[in-house]
Amino acid sequence: DAGVIQSPRHEVTEMGQEVTLRCKPISGHDYLFWYRQTMMRGLELLIYFNNNVPIDDSGMPEDRFSAKMPNASFSTLKIQPSEPRDSAVYFCASSLRRGGSDEQYFGPGTRLTVT
Amino acid sequence: AQSVTQLGSHVSVSEGALVLLRCNYSSSVPPYLFWYVQYPNQGLQLLLKYTSAATLVKGINGFEAEFKKSETSFHLTKPSAHMSDAAEYFCAVTGFSGGYNKLIFGAGTRLAVHP
Repeated sequence: DAGVIQSPRHEVTEMGQEVTLRCKPISGHDYLFWYRQTMMRGLELLIYFNNNVPIDDSGMPEDRFSAKMPNASFSTLKIQPSEPRDSAVYFCASSLRRGGSDEQYFGPGTRLTVT
Repeated sequence: AQSVTQLGSHVSVSEGALVLLRCNYSSSVPPYLFWYVQYPNQGLQLLLKYTSAATLVKGINGFEAEFKKSETSFHLTKPSAHMSDAAEYFCAVTGFSGGYNKLIFGAGTRLAVHP
């Protein structure tokens, strides 16, 4: 399997622009997670989906952030409008629920820089 | 609720020396515990996990961790450090309390290995 795929790997944009990050989970996995990693706040869970349905979005920082999962093989995280404080590495992860000790498989991340 | 504390944000060892990375957890239910490694510019990769089957858990790349309930600890060790072990290490906890339980990550420990 190719693992979790994220695109783009790097994104540089100007403040106020819309940014869309993309994720393809591992085939057959039923959970998908979006994380944000910064030096100041570490690794934060933003939102996660089960069978394409958002379960917990309590980590989404503001209404400027939205996430969708239209099908089992694709998810997007959108920031509109973007701000410099959104600069971070965004990770997507997926897992297959078996009973509680499920490993999450992480993608390589998208490094977002908002100027 | 679960939480994780990693003692020491930076650890430096000599090549060939013992590696000890500390993790203490808090959980109101029997925990599942994980160690992940993040190499530069990459996503997180699972090193090992504790699922109550055995208190001493062996992982990849010669790492192991011991679950000590009395100390609420899950420290990561490797007998002999290699230059390739330089990375950031994250301890994480989840607990089975019905439904899906999110992984809670520690702040991370950056391991440096010098010749």
